[in-house]
Amino acid sequence: DAGVIQSPRHEVTEMGQEVTLRCKPISGHDYLFWYRQTMMRGLELLIYFNNNVPIDDSGMPEDRFSAKMPNASFSTLKIQPSEPRDSAVYFCASSLDRPNTGELFFGEGSRLTVL
Amino acid sequence: KNQVEQSPQSLIILEGKNCTLQCNYTVSPFSNLRWYKQDTGRGPVSLTIMTFSENTKSNGRYTATLDADTKQSSLHITASQLSDSASYICVVSAYGNNRLAFGKGNQVVVIP
Repeated sequence: DAGVIQSPRHEVTEMGQEVTLRCKPISGHDYLFWYRQTMMRGLELLIYFNNNVPIDDSGMPEDRFSAKMPNASFSTLKIQPSEPRDSAVYFCASSLDRPNTGELFFGEGSRLTVL
Repeated sequence: KNQVEQSPQSLIILEGKNCTLQCNYTVSPFSNLRWYKQDTGRGPVSLTIMTFSENTKSNGRYTATLDADTKQSSLHITASQLSDSASYICVVSAYGNNRLAFGKGNQVVVIP
């Protein structure tokens, strides 16, 4: 398997623009996670899905953030409108098992810069 | 206060030398602890998982220890190589809670 695939790898945009990050999880993994990583705060869970259903979205910063998983092989994280403080690396991860037992398999990340 | 604290925040070591990274946690009730390695510009990759009953586990030149009584774990790197330059992240999970607790990582730089 190719692993978790994320796109784009890098995104530079201006404040107020819409940003869409994409993720293809490992086939057969029932859990999909979106994380944000910054130097100050480290890795933070934004939202996770089980069998395409959002389970915990309490980490989503505000209404500007939304995530969808229309099928088992695709998920998106959207920021609208984007702000400079959203600049971070966004990781998608998938897992065979529930979060407190399963190994997380991370993608390469999407580095977002909002000017 | 973060439930997982890692030290040192960063260190520089000479190639071939050993080093030990520390992870202290307050997560309860403890389920398991994982160490992840994150190369620059890449996603984290799991190195090892420690459960309550395990004291020591090795993965090549990496050896993790766990003391569940004092809520401490360490990751020892033996005979370091340039490819060991990375951030090492300690991740702790609790029973009945699907939210993992992440440390901010130990940044290791191995120099020739």
